[in-house]
Amino acid sequence: DTAVSQTPKYLVTQMGNDKSIKCEQNLGHDTMYWYKQDSKKFLKIMFSYNNKELIINETVPNRFSPKSPDKAHLNLHINSLELGDSAVYFCASGLWGVGDEQYFGPGTRLTVT
Amino acid sequence: GQQVMQIPQYQHVQEGEDFTTYCNSSTTLSNIQWYKQRPGGHPVFLIQLVKSGEVKKQKRLTFQFGEAKKNSSLHITATQTTDVGTYFCAGQGDTGRRALTFGSGTRLQVQP
Repeated sequence: DTAVSQTPKYLVTQMGNDKSIKCEQNLGHDTMYWYKQDSKKFLKIMFSYNNKELIINETVPNRFSPKSPDKAHLNLHINSLELGDSAVYFCASGLWGVGDEQYFGPGTRLTVT
Repeated sequence: GQQVMQIPQYQHVQEGEDFTTYCNSSTTLSNIQWYKQRPGGHPVFLIQLVKSGEVKKQKRLTFQFGEAKKNSSLHITATQTTDVGTYFCAGQGDTGRRALTFGSGTRLQVQP
């Protein structure tokens, strides 16, 4: 019955590798987000999709590429991983409009060695 | 760009003491939301404030939105150990930008 789920929960990989994180929501929301939370707990939005259309694309290296196959799914692919990519990545979903509260997934802790 | 600052960064209180965290935006907001993140967990939505000067209460938690819609506060009365976590404010701009800008968070530690 999980509302927003992410896989994997933990990801340990070496520099230079390519990895993907998957996100699914079963809340019927039309908007999904990717956030990055660094070691100091700063939570920064990376991307947002509304009805499968990219609507927010913050200043993120183009090694990061989101993909939304449908409204319920938003995946994040990262090429050529760097040490600085180590963080917790949260997926979230909500309804587009004024003050749409967001429901966060459990997070994916990415460690790049 | 829009910036949201939050103070204090960290607060340690004895159980039963009150706690307040403050949030300030560099621009006027259409609304502000508050989230709580338990250690090792994910942010969980607490409340949203929309109107200028709005005050909302949830049991021991009181949320305020400033008259100018640029600042907000969260006050917890008589803290309990279950209040431990990081509290984030998140502002949504009023100029069409829909993305939430999160504050840096206030980490609350409650000593029993």
